Order: sequence, then C-alpha cells, then structure tokens
Amino acid sequence: KNEVEQSPQNLTAQEGEFITINCSYSVGISALHWLQQHPGGGIVSLFMLSSGKKKHGRLIATINIQEKHSSLHITASHPRDSAVYICAVYTGTASKLTFGTGTRLQVTL
Amino acid sequence: DVKVTQSSRYLVKRTGEKVFLECVQDMDHENMFWYRQDPGLGLRLIYFSYDVKMKEKGDIPEGYSVSREKKERFSLILESASTNQTSMYLCASSLWDREGDYGYTFGSGTRLTVV
Repeated sequence: KNEVEQSPQNLTAQEGEFITINCSYSVGISALHWLQQHPGGGIVSLFMLSSGKKKHGRLIATINIQEKHSSLHITASHPRDSAVYICAVYTGTASKLTFGTGTRLQVTL
Repeated sequence: DVKVTQSSRYLVKRTGEKVFLECVQDMDHENMFWYRQDPGLGLRLIYFSYDVKMKEKGDIPEGYSVSREKKERFSLILESASTNQTSMYLCASSLWDREGDYGYTFGSGTRLTVV
C-alpha cells in the first residue's frame, strides 16, 4: 500500500464545475505539497501547507493533520486547469518528499 | 523567478553508455533533488543534496551517482545506462524552512530513452 493515496485517479469535469481532489496518507507528516503537472512535464508547486487552509485564486487547499487527509478544490473550473495534480508529503527527513501517483483532471467545454 | 534548467529535453542513449544529466538553478537554493517519474509509480527520489559536495541517497539510488561541485549545479550520472533507466528525469531545488521547503521549483524534465 502506498503511503500517499490520491483519489480519484482520473477526473473529467465540465467547465464551471467545482472540483475536489483528495489525498490521504498513512504516516505522520510535518507538511504537504500540492503540485500541478501540465502535459509536457513541467511541475509547479501550488501550495505547501502544514495546517488549516490556503487559497490562491480559484484554488483552495485544506489539510487535517489528525485525520491524515488533504483536499485540493478548484472553483469555476476551466479547460486550462486540465493537468495532473500531485500530492506530496514530508515524512520526517528534511526535504524528502513522498509522492502520490497523481490525479489526472480533464476539464471540457 | 527561480529557474531550474535541465540541459536536455530529450536524450537517446545506448545500453552501457555513461550518461550525464545536468541541472542548474539560479536562486542560491541549498537543496537540490533528482527524481524519476514513471507511469503508475509517480515521482521517486534518486538523490538529493543539501550543500556543495554533500549528497544523500533517496529511495532508488541504485545505478546512479551524483555530483555537486558548485551550489548552482547538480549532476546525475548513469554509470552504465540500462533499458530500465528509460524514464522522465526531473531536477528540483528548494530552500528549507522548519515547516518544509520554500520555493520548491522543478525543471522541465529530461526524457531519457536507453536503447
């Protein structure tokens, strides 16, 4: 069993829909990253969070350390949001991340 | 903006060749990382470095070595390339804070094919 599980693995939504991607982890962590990878490979860090909630534009990330769960929400989704979204956690050793296998999101017109 | 530059976007090498993948960052980050990404397995850490001449093994270091002679440059070396090292290789850099990495930035990746 992976230490970091994401759901769903694949997600198709229509433009304007509210999207939620979930990340559950089985180990104690100090912080968590949400990353976005567009076709072609480039990866961008969207958020790093260790508690509560962060918002950036239409993106909202939440984390519940006790329940070992984080969610990434996209409001008013747009085709340019189509990408793979990856959750990654710090499991103790400084700077070493453990990654989920990603959620592939396709937003259609 | 921090830039992490990987020297090649696509690379094709023969089995047994020695392969060098270069990564350069321009924001004085202490930490640098090499990952490989494979379908269904996600990103896996090969090696990382938290200072010049320092290196730490990641989760899958076998068949690889690294070099960090200057702060801005982190090289990944495949001593004798094999077909199972065909993959997308991603370099990243960051600053470390007690909560985690700030400015975590990835390069655009090198897709290596070993034939």
